[in-house]
Amino acid sequence: EAGVAQSPRYKIIEKRQSVAFWCNPISGHATLYWYQQILGQGPKLLIQFQNNGVVDDSQLPKDRFSAERLKGVDSTLKIQPAKLEDSAVYLCASSFWDRVMNTEAFFGQGTRLTVV
Amino acid sequence: DQQVKQNSPSLSVQEGRISILNCDYTNSMFDYFLWYKKYPAEGPTFLISISSIKDKNEDGRFTVFLNKSAKHLSLHIVPSQPGDSAVYFCAASAKRGSSNTGKLIFGQGTTLQVKP
Repeated sequence: EAGVAQSPRYKIIEKRQSVAFWCNPISGHATLYWYQQILGQGPKLLIQFQNNGVVDDSQLPKDRFSAERLKGVDSTLKIQPAKLEDSAVYLCASSFWDRVMNTEAFFGQGTRLTVV
Repeated sequence: DQQVKQNSPSLSVQEGRISILNCDYTNSMFDYFLWYKKYPAEGPTFLISISSIKDKNEDGRFTVFLNKSAKHLSLHIVPSQPGDSAVYFCAASAKRGSSNTGKLIFGQGTTLQVKP
């Protein structure tokens, strides 16, 4: 079974530039997450999709971050304009949606973003 | 506010001995707990989980214990192997409902080093 695919693996941009990350979840997983992991910290949820609808974006800096999940499969996360503090690893994860129980999330390898 | 806390940033144990990683949480609505392992330059990998209806779950060398009254869980690795050296994250989620999306909230991580 193929895992969560993310691209690119690494990205270096200058502040005020824009950047986009792509994620392809595990086939059949209705729930998709974008997490931000700053060095030395645990992953922090940015946005959660259920199919192509947003169920939680409470910690997404909406003035500069945006995300979409067209057709309920692939997703893109965009930052425009980037700030130095956006330097982090951006992790995409997906999980099977169960009506009753929470289920584990499976993560991609992440995109390491460096803003200079 | 840090709802999931791993108070030990690092742990070093000898090969063959037991590794015990600890995690505390504050939100009494959490009912599903997970441990993830992360190697450098890779995404977190799901290790083991436990539902709040249990106090112990075992999978090979890995056992997770849950103490609901103390809001504490721990991961035991017996025997520890050098390949277990990684960052370990605990995560928690609340039962999906009108006010909870089932999102995973992570601790800061504990770096485990197993010495040969």
